[in-house]
Amino acid sequence: SQQGEEDPQALSIQEGENATMNCSYKTSINNLQWYRQNSGRGLVHLILIRSNEREKHSGRLRVTLDTSKKSSSLLITASRAADTASYFCATDRGGNEKLTFGTGTRLTIIP
Amino acid sequence: KAGVTQTPRYLIKTRGQQVTLSCSPISGHRSVSWYQQTPGQGLQFLFEYFSETQRNKGNFPGRFSGRQFSNSRSEMNVSTLELGDSALYLCASSLELAGGEQYFGPGTRLTVT
Repeated sequence: SQQGEEDPQALSIQEGENATMNCSYKTSINNLQWYRQNSGRGLVHLILIRSNEREKHSGRLRVTLDTSKKSSSLLITASRAADTASYFCATDRGGNEKLTFGTGTRLTIIP
Repeated sequence: KAGVTQTPRYLIKTRGQQVTLSCSPISGHRSVSWYQQTPGQGLQFLFEYFSETQRNKGNFPGRFSGRQFSNSRSEMNVSTLELGDSALYLCASSLELAGGEQYFGPGTRLTVT
């Protein structure tokens, strides 16, 4: 079963706007990661945030983690057409358990 | 460094046949994981290999199997193919077992007719 659930399932915004997507998970984690997937291709790692971190930035990406609510958000600022992709969160529960991926958010940037 | 490579990229098989997919991880990576991705089920974990040993296994029937060689290259095999096995099969490598950042290959698109 999926550990992470992304919300919304799909999101369309105008180019230049900010995009926010959320991930909720069920059990305690070691770290949470976000990945991007362009249509029909492999996933690309975007950012990893550890359970003792609350916020992390990478370029136009900002990730927050609230372990008390078991949720994370990914903010993409000043969106571009090239940001059109599916975005997945993945949770690591530690102890050599597998990385578990969520259901994904399909982001469309309208030029 | 070369990325993760998967062969073949596209494959068409008929029901009942078997198929073998190959994955070459990034040099130095000892962990290889396999995933099945379909529109209906999303990204489903198949198995993970580390130093030639299967360390984690997803909830798939025994028709799905894999192995890892001493050079960390991995293969997965699906026997007695069913229509529902049509999917994008993704391989990912990482330095360590489980949890860490994973580097994905471009995938093998399998179509079963």
